[in-house]
Amino acid sequence: QKEVEQNSGPLSVPEGAIASLNCTYSDRVSQSFFWYRQYSGKSPELIMSIYSNGDKEDGRFTAQLNKASQYVSLLIRDSQPSDSATYLCAVLEGSARQLTFGSGTQLTVLP
Amino acid sequence: DAGVIQSPRHEVTEMGQEVTLRCKPISGHNSLFWYRQTMMRGLELLIYFNNNVPIDDSGMPEDRFSAKMPNASFSTLKIQPSEPRDSAVYFCASSPGQSNEKLFFGSGTQLSVL
Repeated sequence: QKEVEQNSGPLSVPEGAIASLNCTYSDRVSQSFFWYRQYSGKSPELIMSIYSNGDKEDGRFTAQLNKASQYVSLLIRDSQPSDSATYLCAVLEGSARQLTFGSGTQLTVLP
Repeated sequence: DAGVIQSPRHEVTEMGQEVTLRCKPISGHNSLFWYRQTMMRGLELLIYFNNNVPIDDSGMPEDRFSAKMPNASFSTLKIQPSEPRDSAVYFCASSPGQSNEKLFFGSGTQLSVL
């Protein structure tokens, strides 16, 4: 059973719109949450981390965490074609010392 | 720093052959991870080392897979014998400190077993 779930997409949004990516996780004691971006044919790179309930903003990116609902999301404002990539949600589970990744959501931003 | 360095970038081999993938982590990073990525299963952790010691190898699919980290600057992942279902992209990643939260990935090795 997959412990970190994401909608695989593909998700398409027009340039300038807000892209919303969602992730749910099963381990209630998870404390650390991450978003990685992976361009086609490239390796994943960390773009956001969040540890507390609420919102965390970094430029055009906002991560949102709701531990009660076991839900984490990533919002990309003013989406650009260069944001087109697969976005991987990752969770550091309470008892484990390694990340568990979701299967990723493929985002396409249409010019 | 050059980042995590993996070799080879591409490997094409025939079923039954031995395959060795190599990784040089970022200098000073304490943890090293081997991941496999496929369309069907996504990014799966195979094994990780902390201070050169294997900590969790529960993701290694079979005895055909083995990994070593003889020193802080080098690790290998070996598949012997290889099978077509092993075809995937294999990533090595390293992480500073003890938290294992922020991973820095290498460029990956695209393995094709015919």
